[in-house]
Formats: sequence, structure tokens, C-alpha cells
Amino acid sequence: QKEVEQNSGPLSVPEGAIASLNCTYSDRGSQSFFWYRQYSGKSPELIMFIYSNGDKEDGRFTAQLNKASQYVSLLIRDSQPSDSATYLCAVPFGSGYALNFGKGTSLLVTP
Amino acid sequence: DVKVTQSSRYLVKRTGEKVFLECVQDMDHENMFWYRQDPGLGLRLIYFSYDVKMKEKGDIPEGYSVSREKKERFSLILESASTNQTSMYLCASSLSGAQETQYFGPGTRLLVL
Repeated sequence: QKEVEQNSGPLSVPEGAIASLNCTYSDRGSQSFFWYRQYSGKSPELIMFIYSNGDKEDGRFTAQLNKASQYVSLLIRDSQPSDSATYLCAVPFGSGYALNFGKGTSLLVTP
Repeated sequence: DVKVTQSSRYLVKRTGEKVFLECVQDMDHENMFWYRQDPGLGLRLIYFSYDVKMKEKGDIPEGYSVSREKKERFSLILESASTNQTSMYLCASSLSGAQETQYFGPGTRLLVL
């Protein structure tokens, strides 16, 4: 199975700062990439997905994809304490129906 | 909004019991998935289904089976529960085809004693 790697953290940033979360993947054929947020005790919820090289912005969130280097990142601008959660990177594998999830990066935004 | 529901939030069972976990989605999604999530191991795919009565094994199918008799319902069955199946179980669904966003249910935390 192809690998999806994330730094487990915790990543600690002060309120108002930019949080940068990174993910690398091993399958060069991967076409789409998903970022999920998971609060403690809750299920994952989609933040955004990206298909094309470059940046994709949605509010305070920006996903960045570099297929040549096989990494995808998530930037959170003006971080808030409510952003404290685990962020999961996911990449389709096999036939593409199922997602391979990284183990997640724990983010802590301190007031 | 997509809604995925799971039959129980918390479940306590005895070793050797047969356990049924139910998942229902209301958005006419073709694909449905069962994962388990454990600290340090992340989300691991148990089984998925891309159509009624169709199923595919994921990474860790041993000790589990699934049933999909209707499009909206996907059941996970623990044939004989064991303590190492104590975990958080998450159901998800997505539209047909590949590369689609998956939407998760609230999860079932199962404790096997």
C-alpha cells in the first residue's frame, strides 16, 4: 500500500499566527488530495481538497500541492484556539474509491 | 447536507459475542466505508462497498464481515468479538466513482471485555 506521511506534532502556534501542516505521499499517480480536521472524540470533517498543482484558498485555509515533490500542505492563517485539532491528510489508493489516511498532525493554538 | 448516522455511540460487549454495527446515509451515495481508528495507528480501512451487495476488503478485514443489502445501509459484523477489536469505528460514504470526498458518521466507540 502506498504511504501517506505526516508529522505527528504537536504543532503549537500562538493565536493569530500562520499554522503550516505538511503531508508527503509515495504514489506518484495520485490525483487528488484531501484535508480533514478531527476534534478530540469527534469524527473527521472535510476542510478542503485539491487536484491541481499550486494553491487553493478557502477562507483562512490554503492548500498547496506540489506533485513533482510529492507533498501537499495546509496553511491556516490567523489561527484561532478553535482550530486546535488533529489534521488528517488523505490520498486515494488502488481503484481510487478508498482513501489512505496519514496518522495526522496535532495542532494546538495557544491564546 | 450529507448525513451519515451510526446505530450506537458507545457499545460494550463480551468476548465471543457477535456484534453488529449499523451505518445509514441519506444522500444516495454509492460508496460506503468502514474504518477503525486507534491511537498511534490512525484510520485503517476494514471494508468498503461501491454498490449494493458488492464489497471489497480493506487493510484489516480479518475478524470482520460486512453486509450491504440496501443502498443506504452498510453493516459491519464482528463474528466473534475479541479484546483487540476494542476501538473507535467510523463509517463513511461518498458519491460513485473514484477520488470522491468521504463524509463520516459520528463513530461508535466499542469496548470488548
